[in-house]
Amino acid sequence: QVHLQQSGRGLVKPSETLSLTCVVSGYDIRDGCYWGWIRQSPGKGPEWIGSIYEDGRTYHSPSLKSRISMSVDASKNQFSLNLTSMTAADTGTYYCARHGTLGNLGKFDFWGQGTVVSVS
Amino acid sequence: QSVLTQPPSASGTPGQRVTISCSGSSSNIETKSVNWYQQLPGTAPKLLIFSNNQRPSEVPDRFSGSKSGTSASLAISGLQSEDEADYYCASWDDGFNGRVLFGGGTKLTVL
Repeated sequence: QVHLQQSGRGLVKPSETLSLTCVVSGYDIRDGCYWGWIRQSPGKGPEWIGSIYEDGRTYHSPSLKSRISMSVDASKNQFSLNLTSMTAADTGTYYCARHGTLGNLGKFDFWGQGTVVSVS
Repeated sequence: QSVLTQPPSASGTPGQRVTISCSGSSSNIETKSVNWYQQLPGTAPKLLIFSNNQRPSEVPDRFSGSKSGTSASLAISGLQSEDEADYYCASWDDGFNGRVLFGGGTKLTVL
């Protein structure tokens, strides 16, 4: 069974950088999927942040593109997100997830447990 | 305001059939696969329907999806109390060099 375990600090000061990591087990991260990050503000729907392929190819949300960096560490079977210049508007729950293939990138079939992020 | 438009709420009584709509455009729903997620309070979204009408093996066949033109629908038959949750549609969109879009969500209440 595929399992995604998130880690990272949940409390961030304004203007600081949020750093999250997602460790994948039960699946080789090099095995042909995209890996994504999604966030959800309190009481709102999910918002896609960005996605990365094993070879480093990325897609970013247009509204967050200038603040996002993502990476894959295949040796540790994990991928990471950095989101710079955090503000109160970035408060919410952040999820990592396994993406569909290029044929269906709106599909996320396995999710991490979520990290509650507060900017204060 | 989401580019994928869903009604904010829906309701039904146990045993009923309810449908939730998702309206988009030619750059997303009409030409891309539609996926549906169920989210219970305090949990991550769960994939319910993918590729317009496919169910993961663990999802009961009471849940079904369809698509026509720029709109898609999720149908739940034999409504049960445990179906009370938030439901979201999602699709790839060809705008802005490509992006994933989620609908604004529909809160389903089982009366």
